[in-house]
Amino acid sequence: NAGVTQTPKFQVLKTGQSMTLQCAQDMNHNSMYWYRQDPGMGLRLIYYSASEGTTDKGEVPNGYNVSRLNKREFSLRLESAAPSQTSVYFCASSDMGGYTFGSGTRLTVV
Amino acid sequence: LAKTTQPISMDSYEGQEVNITCSHNNIATNDYITWYQQFPSQGPRFIIQGYKTKVTNEVASLFIPADRKSSTLSLPRVSLSDTAVYYCLVGDISSGSARQLTFGSGTQLTVLP
Repeated sequence: NAGVTQTPKFQVLKTGQSMTLQCAQDMNHNSMYWYRQDPGMGLRLIYYSASEGTTDKGEVPNGYNVSRLNKREFSLRLESAAPSQTSVYFCASSDMGGYTFGSGTRLTVV
Repeated sequence: LAKTTQPISMDSYEGQEVNITCSHNNIATNDYITWYQQFPSQGPRFIIQGYKTKVTNEVASLFIPADRKSSTLSLPRVSLSDTAVYYCLVGDISSGSARQLTFGSGTQLTVLP
């Protein structure tokens, strides 16, 4: 019963490099989300997907792209990483019972 | 989306009951109230959810007055391991579309020995 799985757990990038954060859920949830959390702050929504094949911008989408590959998987891509994107990234899925979060990816851009 | 207001921080001692109140004056008819707990370096974890009156589970109780403009999360007999950030979220969970619930800064609860 894995819930929401994120990979990788840690990553260091150089400015300008690209990478994709992977997320998969096994709870058959329709909705999936990507959040970022900066030190001492709450979570801010980057992108979300209401269902397979749809994606929409959240509060802070600039510098990111997403892909809802299928019902299980929702990936987040940084095309050209910047130091301002240093953060902890959380993937989540939801149904009427609430959100289930992954354990996070700690990303440092130097 | 209903805006929520919580205290930034609270301190308590082991064994005490802790009550964290959340204000949500513009809560809508279809909105539910959900509380999450977050430990450092982990994602938020669902604690409890309710619509009105009182809900209790093995972890906490949630008290919601008749006007639903506030709610109180009650943690009985806290221990050091309850030190965490607690978030109150308000939104409609009955719709089929994605729920873009806003996480505020939450309440940092520190339990002291």
